[in-house]
Parts: sequence; structure tokens; C-alpha cells
Amino acid sequence: QKEVEQDPGPLSVPEGAIVSLNCTYSNSAFQYFMWYRQYSRKGPELLMYTYSSGNKEDGRFTAQVDKSSKYISLFIRDSQPSDSATYLCAMSVAGNMLTFGGGTRLMVKP
Amino acid sequence: GAVVSQHPSWVICKSGTSVKIECRSLDFQATTMFWYRQFPKQSLMLMATSNEGSKATHEQGVEKDKFLINHASLTLSTLTVTSAHPEDSSFYICSAREARSSFYEQYFGPGTRLTVT
Repeated sequence: QKEVEQDPGPLSVPEGAIVSLNCTYSNSAFQYFMWYRQYSRKGPELLMYTYSSGNKEDGRFTAQVDKSSKYISLFIRDSQPSDSATYLCAMSVAGNMLTFGGGTRLMVKP
Repeated sequence: GAVVSQHPSWVICKSGTSVKIECRSLDFQATTMFWYRQFPKQSLMLMATSNEGSKATHEQGVEKDKFLINHASLTLSTLTVTSAHPEDSSFYICSAREARSSFYEQYFGPGTRLTVT
């Protein structure tokens, strides 16, 4: 069993839709949770960072962490074609090594 | 924003040869650099961490004599895949972090696709 599971998709939605991306994990010691966006043939870029449980909002993006369920989510409101990319969740125990999920490919159609 | 470049962006080599990949931080000093490997439709796997002027720390299962890492300056780290074999074909991505930055503030390069024939 992988430490971090993520549905690979692809997830196809119409422009303007609310997108929900999720990861589950098995290591209860994870304390730091990140979401990265990766465009094709590019390196990942950090979107959101959350420590422990709770919600965090940044513009159209909202990150949620539910440590009791070992489940994290990224919501994208008013999705745009430019949001089409692969979204990777990543986690860390002590703020050092990152453990990544496999990524979910998102396609937002005009 | 912080920019990290990698060179080459793709490389094809014959089995048994060595390949060197460069990772540069263009507008900041990277005291720590990370090397990841990403297989198709799989997650990034950390291979090694290097601090400027120190020996790299390789993750369990990653042969340090096969994947040589040099971080000789604050803006350059190199990964050399020695005696490459087809199973080493992958997407190699580096990331860089400044001193005093939070651990998650890593800036990733665009990656290097290695194909070993």
C-alpha cells in the first residue's frame, strides 16, 4: 500500500465548475500538507500549504485537511481552462522530506 | 519569483554510458537541493538531498555510487547517472531551497527526461 494515494484521473470538468481533488494517506504522523500544480513538461509549483487540520483559502483555491480520516482535499472554484494540469498532494512528518501522491490530471474544458 | 533551470531538458544515451544533469538556481542561492525521479503516471520519489559543500544524502534504495551528486556552489548541483541502463529511463526533477526558507518552499526545475537505449 502506498503511503499517499491519489486518483490519477483524468478528471474532466466544464469551465466554471467546482473541482474537488483528494488524497488519502496511511501515515498518521504526517503534519504538513501541500498541494502542487504541474503543467506538462514542467516542474511542480507550490499552490497551498497547510499545517495540521483545518481549512485554508487562497483566492479560488481552498485546502482542507481531515487528520481523523487521513484525508485531504483541494477545491478549485470557478475553474478555468488554464487550471488544466496535474495536481500533486505532498505530505511531511517533520518538515523535511516530502512524500508525494501520484497526481490527478485535471482537464477544464471551455 | 525564484527560478530553477535544468539542463538538458531531454537526453538519450546508450546503455553503459554516463549522463550528467545540471540544476541551477538562477536568482537565488540554494543552500539545499533535492533530486527526484518521476516514472510515468507515478509520484515524485526523492532520490537524494544535497547541501552546498557537503556530501549528498541518498534515500534508502538509491545507490550513491550510481547516482553521483555534486553541489559545489550555491547555484549549481549536478546529478550524474553512471553506467546507465534502460531501467534508469525516467523524468528527473531537481528542486532548490534557500537558507532560512521553510521546508516546503522548494522551487522545482522543469525536469530532464532521460531515455537509455
